[in-house]
Parts: sequence; structure tokens; C-alpha cells
Amino acid sequence: AQSVAQPEDQVNVAEGNPLTVKCTYSVSGNPYLFWYVQYPNRGLQFLLKYITGDNLVKGSYGFEAEFNKSQTSFHLKKPSALVSDSALYFCAVRFYSSASKIIFGSGTRLSIRP
Amino acid sequence: DAMVIQNPRYQVTQFGKPVTLSCSQTLNHNVMYWYQQKSSQAPKLLFHYYDKDFNNEADTPDNFQSRRPNTSFCFLDIRSPGLGDAAMYLCATSRDHEGGSKNIQYFGAGTRLSVL
Repeated sequence: AQSVAQPEDQVNVAEGNPLTVKCTYSVSGNPYLFWYVQYPNRGLQFLLKYITGDNLVKGSYGFEAEFNKSQTSFHLKKPSALVSDSALYFCAVRFYSSASKIIFGSGTRLSIRP
Repeated sequence: DAMVIQNPRYQVTQFGKPVTLSCSQTLNHNVMYWYQQKSSQAPKLLFHYYDKDFNNEADTPDNFQSRRPNTSFCFLDIRSPGLGDAAMYLCATSRDHEGGSKNIQYFGAGTRLSVL
């Protein structure tokens, strides 16, 4: 069965510092992994995805994620956090038996303090 | 240039009174989804349409129905809303095709449903 886990409900970072939002996955076969961001009272926005290729994936708003097969992780990172990065972040994995569906992690609230 | 549009943004209904939420898209995507999201939790997939084919999730209550009259529009009908159905309802679309799926989903801003 496919699943993703986000072990941290909340991550607090000072503006200008690097940030990491953690995600681990469990899949049958090759993983298709995604990160989405949700701002208050808004829908989710796609940030980046890993399908195949380079383990370091670059996405929107300066975010990147590193795919680590041995650790089954897909952590989201940014070198220098902005207050405007404060939002809810969801890791997701494709549901293998149905290519149209994805499963979301429980979400991590990122709070950037000035 | 909103691409997935949900109306209304806020909907208030009474306990047991049927309500319909709407979603339209200008992306010409063949897949449309409805999710329920409560209190900043993970979105929970209710069902999705792959073209005209309806795919219901096993744990979606019968109280929730959907219609997709054409490619651009999709509706969520809640036949008898209960207090537990108060949530944010998110519509999403994606372009999927046999042999490979990009699986990027594009979300609307959501409709927040309150049940009195």
C-alpha cells in the first residue's frame, strides 16, 4: 500500500534561515512524489514533483526537495525562509493502482517568524 | 485568470437541506476530483471523474453524490447535510492519459460549507 508520513505537525523557523519539512514514503514500485502548499482559505498549489531522474528537484518559490531512496524520504527544503512561506505543506504520493489518484500526508504547518 | 473556479466560496445550509457545490475549469482537463478537508487536515478524496467515468471512494457516504454534465463542470451534491459535513470542499483537475500521468492536480480555492 502507498502512504506518506509527515512526522512534524509544525515547523518554526526564523526568517532568513534554511528550512526543512520532512516527508517519508512507503510505496510498491517506483515512487511518484509531490509537494503541495496551502495558504489560508485557499486550495492547494503544486510546488514540485519527483518522477525519475535527478534526486534534487527544484520547484516554485525557491523550494527544492531531495529524493532519498535508501531513507525513503522526500524532504522539502529552502535555503532562506521568507515570512510569506508560512503555510500548510502537504507531501503526496501517487496511488499505484490508480494513476489518477494521489494520497496526501497529514500536513505540516510552517511558521516563519520575522 | 482563475483556472479552477468554485462557487460559492462560502455556503451555509441547514441540517438536512440539500446543497449543491459547483466547480468549473478552463483547463480542458479530463479528470476532476472532489475532496473534503476538515480543520487543516489532509484533503480526503470523495470521488473523481476520469472523463465520464465516475469513481467513488469506498468510504464516501451515500449522502454525497456528483454530476459531471460536460468536461468543464462538476457538481457535488450533499443530499442531507449533517453537522459532521461542515468542511472545506476542494475541487481539483488533472490531465491524465493512458500510458503516463503527470498527476499534477490544479485546485480551486474551495467552498467552505457550514451546516446550521
